[in-house]
Amino acid sequence: DAKTTQPTSMDCAEGRAANLPCNHSTISGNEYVYWYRQIHSQGPQYIIHGLKNNETNEMASLIITEDRKSSTLILPHATLRDTAVYYCIVRVALSNSGYALNFGKGTSLLVTP
Amino acid sequence: SAVISQKPSRDICQRGTSLTIQCQVDSQVTMMFWYRQQPGQSLTLIATANQGSEATYESGFVIDKFPISRPNLTFSTLTVSNMSPEDSSIYLCSAGFQETQYFGPGTRLLVL
Repeated sequence: DAKTTQPTSMDCAEGRAANLPCNHSTISGNEYVYWYRQIHSQGPQYIIHGLKNNETNEMASLIITEDRKSSTLILPHATLRDTAVYYCIVRVALSNSGYALNFGKGTSLLVTP
Repeated sequence: SAVISQKPSRDICQRGTSLTIQCQVDSQVTMMFWYRQQPGQSLTLIATANQGSEATYESGFVIDKFPISRPNLTFSTLTVSNMSPEDSSIYLCSAGFQETQYFGPGTRLLVL
């Protein structure tokens, strides 16, 4: 299973772009990069995922390097409600029942006024 | 996306008792998952529950302690048996839907 490395914590000013990096240098060719976040005392929320192309949705953009060894989640205009722990996850395949997600420690993002 | 609800949202239980947590999905899904999140920690997968087959448990989790039911494509239960204070955690269910997992709000369990 590919492992991910994320900074423990980051700060971002409200209204600015938040750029959250993730290293996944051992990723396999058929593994996706997923991003989730967990706001305090809530269940994890799906943000975005990608294989090799950059992706954008209403919440964020995902930039994956050409060699796929790292990626960056971009929240274009961070708000106080974006304060959360952000998890970068490389999806692994279970032996007999499909896919599961291995959560690491994530990055604690604090958005300040 | 899939919307997932859990019952109860929280509970306080006595040592030695059991608690069954219910998970309901608003869409039919093949794969459902149960996770545990201990205080201050990240999520740990307990087991995968596919409809029509026995649940598959991760290392360190056993069926006698965490029996799981999956009676249909929208529902699953997790029982925490013979509880001890070490079982105090948030228990989360999730469902695989269109190559993504969606999570419920969690059940906060405190064992005294």
